[in-house]
Amino acid sequence: GQQLNQSPQSMFIQEGEDVSMNCTSSSIFNTWLWYKQDPGEGPVLLIALYKAGELTSNGRLTAQFGITRKDSFLNISASIPSDVGIYFCAGPLQGGSEKLVFGKGTKLTVNP
Amino acid sequence: DTGVSQDPRHKITKRGQNVTFRCDPISEHNRLYWYRQTLGQGPEFLTYFQNEAQLEKSRLLSDRFSAERPKGSFSTLEIQRTEQGDSAMYLCASSLYSIYGYTFGSGTRLTVV
Repeated sequence: GQQLNQSPQSMFIQEGEDVSMNCTSSSIFNTWLWYKQDPGEGPVLLIALYKAGELTSNGRLTAQFGITRKDSFLNISASIPSDVGIYFCAGPLQGGSEKLVFGKGTKLTVNP
Repeated sequence: DTGVSQDPRHKITKRGQNVTFRCDPISEHNRLYWYRQTLGQGPEFLTYFQNEAQLEKSRLLSDRFSAERPKGSFSTLEIQRTEQGDSAMYLCASSLYSIYGYTFGSGTRLTVV
């Protein structure tokens, strides 16, 4: 089935550093979604991408829809302590399903 | 109400007991989803409603699990004869269309002892 592979699994960075993470699949996705989850809470949608090559920003976050439609990237610039959390990529399955499939997440730790 | 509400936030139950969780979606969203999340994993799809109709169910949803959305508004997820493997975070979400992304609730953390 369609699976999403996220890397790295975890990152430890200093406040102020930029962060990059990615998500790959063996299958084509027509939509890529990036979520952030804080401990004990549900995921919150950060950015949605709908077109191959699309680059979309949300404040200090920038995400790109890969040209092959099999990958997506999320960058965070000038990280701050509240960026701590787990970042998930997700996408809807092909064939009209309403189901979203999620990656296993990238856990981000920011040291002040 | 501006978000998805789930109740309870936490539930500890003994193995073999039945539990029921409630989800109140965003009022204008006709689609409602249940997901399960275990430690170190992303959310996994359980089931989906469009209005009151349950349109998709995952193979993860064993016979012990049942979900309802009786009037197309709130939903309940019941687990009968709980097992330790049922311990997880149960997330509810709602949306207008899945490609726009879901709005998740804060989840119900179930611990089976």
